[in-house]
Amino acid sequence: DSGVTQTPKHLITATGQRVTLRCSPRSGDLSVYWYQQSLDQGLQFLIQYYNGEERAKGNILERFSAQQFPDLHSELNLSSLELGDSALYFCASSEIRADTEAFFGQGTRLTVV
Amino acid sequence: AQSVAQPEDQVNVAEGNPLTVKCTYSVSGNPYLFWYVQYPNRGLQFLLKYITGDNLVKGSYGFEAEFNKSQTSFHLKKPSALVSDSALYFCAVRDLMDSSYKLIFGSGTRLLVRP
Repeated sequence: DSGVTQTPKHLITATGQRVTLRCSPRSGDLSVYWYQQSLDQGLQFLIQYYNGEERAKGNILERFSAQQFPDLHSELNLSSLELGDSALYFCASSEIRADTEAFFGQGTRLTVV
Repeated sequence: AQSVAQPEDQVNVAEGNPLTVKCTYSVSGNPYLFWYVQYPNRGLQFLLKYITGDNLVKGSYGFEAEFNKSQTSFHLKKPSALVSDSALYFCAVRDLMDSSYKLIFGSGTRLLVRP
């Protein structure tokens, strides 16, 4: 058990809809990362939050947004969903130190139909 | 820009034989390097990391990796493969010039160990 909790595990929704994915980081970790894993694109970095503030942005679509709350849990909001958004979405947390590994949740599998 | 390359989509090896999963990287500063493993329907699990010091690092489940600065490589190795090692393996790099400390992942290599 990595200590990172993601909910829900599975989500099926229709095109055009909006969903929210939730992540609770490991106790004490201030940094949260979101990644998207598609079948043919590996793990793509989306966005990072540190102690409530956005710290880095990757290839995140404008339809997607995230936030980190005072209790350090994070939410990834995906709107106007398209079939191509179907993927596994991972959250990871770490200390804000370069020499520490990131710990991953089990992911949320999103299927857009 | 930071990048990681895993040139093999799949590696096949017989149980008991040594295995190598290849990884090369490109960063602007000094790299910190990581290997993760993903079993079906699971998240990524940390295997090992290179930060500094000895170029040969040992990790979980008998895996080790060799850092080679001149070849910008960080290949994952195991002396004797097990069927249970079959999984998807990801190499990742963290560029110390990037204050976000985000991990950039390779495309992954599927390891298949046959009995």
